[in-house]
Order: sequence, then C-alpha cells, then structure tokens
Amino acid sequence: QITLEESGPTLVKPTQTLTVTCTFSGFSLTTSGVGVGWIRQPPGKALEWLALVYWNGEVQYSPSLKSRLTITKDTSKNQVVLIMTNMDPMDIATYYCARHTPSNYGAPLDYWGPGTLVTVSS
Amino acid sequence: EIVLTQSPATLSSSPGERATLSCRASQSVGSYLAWYQQKPGQAPRLLIYDTSNRATGIPARFGGSGSGTDFTLTISSLEPEDFAVYYCLQRNNWPITFGQGTRLEIK
Repeated sequence: QITLEESGPTLVKPTQTLTVTCTFSGFSLTTSGVGVGWIRQPPGKALEWLALVYWNGEVQYSPSLKSRLTITKDTSKNQVVLIMTNMDPMDIATYYCARHTPSNYGAPLDYWGPGTLVTVSS
Repeated sequence: EIVLTQSPATLSSSPGERATLSCRASQSVGSYLAWYQQKPGQAPRLLIYDTSNRATGIPARFGGSGSGTDFTLTISSLEPEDFAVYYCLQRNNWPITFGQGTRLEIK
C-alpha cells in the first residue's frame, strides 16, 4: 500500500523559509523510475507543480520559483524535503507531495498525500 | 512553458448524462496528457494518463482521447460522485503544467 504524508509548519512569517517534509511508504526512491514531486494549490485556485526529485538524483524545478526552491531526498528515511525561501502571503496554499514516474516508466503523480495548508502572516 | 487551457470552466450536467471536458495545449504534448479529479478538501486523484490509460481502480465510464494539442475526457454516464473539479496535466516538457480546471456541477 502506497502512502504519502506532508508535514511542516502551518504558519510562517513573511520573508521566512518554509521547510515541508514528505514521508512515504510502499515504494522506494532507490527504485529505477521513481520520483517524488511537490505541487501546491492556493485556496480556491488551480494546481501548480513546484519541484521533483528522481531516484537517480535528478531534480527539476518550476522556472518561476527555481531561485527559491530546493528539493532533497533521504532514501534511508523515505523522505523528500522541499525548502522554499522568502515566503510571501502569495505563497499561501495547500502543499502536496505525490509519487511520480517518467513517461517511459509509468503514470505521473499517481499517489498523493492529503496536503498541508501553509499560511503566511506576520 | 506549455499552457493548458481547459473548457468549459464550468459544466452543468445531470446524473446519467454524458460529460465531455476539453484540454487544449499551447504546443504539442504528444500523448503525455493526464486527467485528475479533485473533490472539496481532498487531494487530486489520477484518472487517466498518457491520453487514454485509466489509472488503477478507475471505472470504465471515464475515458480519454486526443493527441498533440487537443484532448478530451469523457464520462459516459455521470454518477453523483463524479461532480467535482477536473484538471489536465502535461508531462511532455518541463515544467510539468496543469490546466486551470473544469468544475462539473449538478444541473
């Protein structure tokens, strides 16, 4: 059974750094073709893909946020961490992590965590 | 960046009817187009990937078609639990992008 769960602060102050952790089970980030991605969704708005890390260490970032994002994996803990710097009220959103496989391996973003709502306010 | 435009923004239908949702890409995405369903307060659920492959456990009433820049999600006979927001996603090019969503509401 594949599960993912996001954890992190629910409230950060403007200009602070957000660190959210995705803890997963039922698959391994050492398996070829496996990745974990982060997606966010402001209240009442559409989904926005942020970043992704693959089993082989390859990382991809949203160009519009690349300067503020860092994604890392810890395969021993089955965790993926997303760091977003210089938080702003525009970053208020539910942050999701999801398992992902490349097009020649399988389905995209097929298992999702329940999400964690992050508010930015002083 | 590939822009995905979904239409209509809102679709009003009744249970038992057929629903057709559209997703148009600003440039070709080959066959690498997926569809997600999202209900209030829940994470998105993958329905269809690579244009027409149903994800695990997805009922046969959900079908996908298209290629290149024009794609369609068809729900053959709407069930009450199908009323939700639907998003398309492309993974042919980085960055991965989502459409803005179609809200399927009960008429």
